[in-house]
Amino acid sequence: DTGVSQDPRHKITKRGQNVTFRCDPISEHNRLYWYRQTLGQGPEFLTYFQNEAQLEKSRLLSDRFSAERPKGSFSTLEIQRTEQGDSAMYLCASSLLPGSGNTIYFGEGSWLTVV
Amino acid sequence: AQSVTQLGSHVSVSEGALVLLRCNYSSSVPPYLFWYVQYPNQGLQLLLKYTTGATLVKGINGFEAEFKKSETSFHLTKPSAHMSDAAEYFCAVSEGDTGFQKLVFGTGTRLLVSP
Repeated sequence: DTGVSQDPRHKITKRGQNVTFRCDPISEHNRLYWYRQTLGQGPEFLTYFQNEAQLEKSRLLSDRFSAERPKGSFSTLEIQRTEQGDSAMYLCASSLLPGSGNTIYFGEGSWLTVV
Repeated sequence: AQSVTQLGSHVSVSEGALVLLRCNYSSSVPPYLFWYVQYPNQGLQLLLKYTTGATLVKGINGFEAEFKKSETSFHLTKPSAHMSDAAEYFCAVSEGDTGFQKLVFGTGTRLLVSP
């Protein structure tokens, strides 16, 4: 069990460019979550998957954002036409299905800086 | 809707002193409650969680928290602070097994430990 891994850890991009982040969850974890954390704030929920199905999206997830989990394993989060307000850390997390308060495990995050 | 309030964006203690980080929550359903720790440029690590049962919960690194339903609180304590405890601490609430486990985080408390 290697934990939740995210790639890249850091990304600097120019405004208007597209970026993609990848998340590999803990193996056999059915649920995968994306959160966004800006400086001085707690993480905010963006979206989550159960297996390959995207079951909920936050209103924070504008139409420039798209997330996929095509085979129910790894996930990608793409941001199109980046804006400076997108600068944040994007956190991925995973868990088993609900039951007995299953723990949500977080990755180390992907920092995005839009210049 | 659920929410979390963490009182004090910064808490300063001396090494060996008691650590007390405050968290109050709001939830319309029986909550699950969590404390996570975040070191600089890192993801979130679970310290402890309350789901059901015993209201005094013990976690890693000597931390514990007590769920007080009447006060809607889940304060984090540690009898004796260590320099390595300096980090950002986040309290979070979820809807428990009846919900889809979305975590709602507070804005965090930065713990500073002086020699």
